[in-house]
Amino acid sequence: QKEVEQNSGPLSVPEGAIASLNCTYSDRGSQSFFWYRQYSGKSPELIMSIYSNGDKEDGRFTAQLNKASQYVSLLIRDSQPSDSATYLCAVQTSYDKVIFGPGTSLSVIP
Amino acid sequence: DTEVTQTPKHLVMGMTNKKSLKCEQHMGHRAMYWYKQKAKKPPELMFVYSYEKLSINESVPSRFSPECPNSSLLNLHLHALQPEDSALYLCASSTLAGGFETQYFGPGTRLLVL
Repeated sequence: QKEVEQNSGPLSVPEGAIASLNCTYSDRGSQSFFWYRQYSGKSPELIMSIYSNGDKEDGRFTAQLNKASQYVSLLIRDSQPSDSATYLCAVQTSYDKVIFGPGTSLSVIP
Repeated sequence: DTEVTQTPKHLVMGMTNKKSLKCEQHMGHRAMYWYKQKAKKPPELMFVYSYEKLSINESVPSRFSPECPNSSLLNLHLHALQPEDSALYLCASSTLAGGFETQYFGPGTRLLVL
């Protein structure tokens, strides 16, 4: 079974702090990795994609990928209350198939 | 522009009804997807169409029937559903970006089966 796991939540951080979200995956052949943000009652919104080992930064978001450890993470700097949402890690395991992790609920406390 | 549209936004149906969900994208994306999402769970893949052909069916019950009339449209026909089929149904489409497929979701249809 090809699986994606995320750190269990809920995760609470104070406003302005760094939020760290982690994800591990079991299929060593996976090539593409995504972080989606989902607000309650809304659809997932793509915030980051990463394909190569290392860091990828976009504004306050940094995705980190380590294929050898089968690990991908998302850092949110200067967390804002508007960042409070569920974050879904997604892994593309084959040409058409993307598997989602269970999600981590993040709460940013003002 | 990465817009995927879905209609209707909400749907209430009885177990004997037949209804359809519609999804549309005009971005030239090669693949379109149906996902089912229950509360506090991740999206669960149902079907994938690649270049208008069904490429993945995740053992979905036959009361769900997908259709891809053309490269921009994706339908999900519903018949004789059960209350446990109540969920958010998400459509997505994907395109190559930087050499890798990237998926974008529509707003979803919230379905309630009575």
